[in-house]
Amino acid sequence: QQQVKQSPQSLIVQKGGIPIINCAYENTAFDYFPWYQQFPGKGPALLIAIRPDVSEKKEGRFTISFNKSAKQFSLHIMDSQPGDSATYFCAASGQGTYKYIFGTGTRLKVLA
Amino acid sequence: GAVVSQHPSWVICKSGTSVKIECRSLDFQATTMFWYRQFPKQSLMLMATSNEGSKATYEQGVEKDKFLINHASLTLSTLTVTSAHPEDSSFYICSASPSGRHYNEQFFGPGTRLTVL
Repeated sequence: QQQVKQSPQSLIVQKGGIPIINCAYENTAFDYFPWYQQFPGKGPALLIAIRPDVSEKKEGRFTISFNKSAKQFSLHIMDSQPGDSATYFCAASGQGTYKYIFGTGTRLKVLA
Repeated sequence: GAVVSQHPSWVICKSGTSVKIECRSLDFQATTMFWYRQFPKQSLMLMATSNEGSKATYEQGVEKDKFLINHASLTLSTLTVTSAHPEDSSFYICSASPSGRHYNEQFFGPGTRLTVL
């Protein structure tokens, strides 16, 4: 019940495409869902996060869609660029704890 | 804002020695910090949660006596790998949660690459 399932494992898109990465969870106590971007040899960087009281959040080219009833959330990257090539992790956190449950990661490659 | 630093960024040591890694929140106070371990092409594995002024809480399977954590102030946590062995070689990453926030943001450091010979 503590798992966060992330898909796909890897993704290749052309420049300008819109890669979509999906995550699903089971624990209804989760109330904070961040996405992180990680480049090789670096620490993860917070991209965008959402709470269950909204269904969508946009920050620049990054959008989170959240479906509370389905217990799913996804990251969309608009107008993707080669510089977006990285590994993306979703995570979930519950009330009363700062601990994150991470997804398994998605390796994105954007072709020039 | 919300910058976390780690030192050193990489370290090579001989088997049997101890290595200390520092994690600092540079522009915010962090009551809670976290230590993760990451193997190549894998996700982050939480090792322990560190709270300022109290003992760390370790995840199941993580040896407390091997991975010593000290959260001495609201801006500094340290991880000491004691009697390191080659199997301890990994990428260690810390994160920090700003104090007083309503939600559970974590900001990550750049990581420390440990190689044990």
